[in-house]
Amino acid sequence: QKEVEQDPGPLSVPEGAIVSLNCTYSNSAFQYFMWYRQYSRKGPELLMYTYSSGNKEDGRFTAQVDKSSKYISLFIRDSQPSDSATYLCALTGNNNDMRFGAGTRLTVKP
Amino acid sequence: ETGVTQTPRHLVMGMTNKKSLKCEQHLGHNAMYWYKQSAKKPLELMFVYSLEERVENNSVPSRFSPECPNSSHLFLHLHTLQPEDSALYLCASSPTEYTTQYFGPGTRLTVL
Repeated sequence: QKEVEQDPGPLSVPEGAIVSLNCTYSNSAFQYFMWYRQYSRKGPELLMYTYSSGNKEDGRFTAQVDKSSKYISLFIRDSQPSDSATYLCALTGNNNDMRFGAGTRLTVKP
Repeated sequence: ETGVTQTPRHLVMGMTNKKSLKCEQHLGHNAMYWYKQSAKKPLELMFVYSLEERVENNSVPSRFSPECPNSSHLFLHLHTLQPEDSALYLCASSPTEYTTQYFGPGTRLTVL
């Protein structure tokens, strides 16, 4: 079993749709959870960072963590064509380790 | 100049060439990283430096040689690479080891 599983997609949605992106993980030592957005030919940029279980909202983006199920999600409301990118989850913890998901490629069609 | 910068942005080299990738961070961070990103694969951590000391080397072939002369600069020296080494090489920095990382734009490397 991979330490971090993320569906690579591709995922295509119409503009205005709600997008749900997910990762599962196997190591309970991971305590910090991040989502990165990577546009084509660019480096990943940090989108959201969470620590505890529950929801964290930032504008149209909501990060959700369920530590008991080892499941993290990123929701995008009112998706825009400019949201078209690859989204990577990243996990780290006190184990001095950091793991990335393979990334989900999202296309939002006008 | 802000954030993390990388040069060159694109590099094409033959298998017998020697080249270097450069990374510079302007964030005052203490840790720097090299990653390899291949299509449809997770980011592969190659090297980690903390306060200019290498703290991790994930079984990377010796044809990749890192150098960290100070906490703001990181190099990746390349020699006798293979075509399968073609990928996007990303540099990142973070305040301390394994905290939130900030990435540069990457160097797109093609080995012929």
